[in-house]
Amino acid sequence: GEDVEQSLFLSVREGDSSVINCTYTDSSSTYLYWYKQEPGAGLQLLTYIFSNMDMKQDQRLTVLLNKKDKHLSLRIADTQTGDSAIYFCAERRTGGSYIPTFGRGTSLIVHP
Amino acid sequence: KAGVTQTPRYLIKTRGQQVTLSCSPISGHRSVSWYQQTPGQGLQFLFEYFSETQRNKGNFPGRFSGRQFSNSRSEMNVSTLELGDSALYLCASSLAPRGGVLSSGANVLTFGAGSRLTVL
Repeated sequence: GEDVEQSLFLSVREGDSSVINCTYTDSSSTYLYWYKQEPGAGLQLLTYIFSNMDMKQDQRLTVLLNKKDKHLSLRIADTQTGDSAIYFCAERRTGGSYIPTFGRGTSLIVHP
Repeated sequence: KAGVTQTPRYLIKTRGQQVTLSCSPISGHRSVSWYQQTPGQGLQFLFEYFSETQRNKGNFPGRFSGRQFSNSRSEMNVSTLELGDSALYLCASSLAPRGGVLSSGANVLTFGAGSRLTVL
């Protein structure tokens, strides 16, 4: 299977919370990232979490890390139509290249 | 602070031709990475350059090549274009200092807007 897996699509209603999930395979991952890609643009870093943390919060964004299950999630509170984008999860491993490995991305669709 | 600049933004080529894409990193960033993004394969790592040397390489054929100049600007070249090379090519820069993995911190990548290549 792929190193970093994400579901491809998520549809939510405006004002609801969105939860985007990601699983990774390498237990030695040190940093885990969330990037956002809006139409016609490159990827933009949203947030990252170091592997010794369980949670990180930044305004409407909450990242949860479950190292035992190798599961990462991104929660967006009060989702707005401007949050419609592709969200990429990425991991960076120890012991080798520090180039992050990206998932395929989750397309978040926010409808009124 | 200027972001990562990629040129051209859009281009159309025919099969068998070659193409060169350019990337100017953020000032002070010494590492430049290239990615290919397609709907079917997602984001695929091509290669990474640091101080004019290719430091990491993804699993792409030799038709894909790159280089980095002394000012950290980078170019990638694709020769003998195939229809399947149609994609968005993204460049990303980072500080990524030389040395061990643990010394490089979070190694946050800053991406350009990409060059969209269409091969007919």
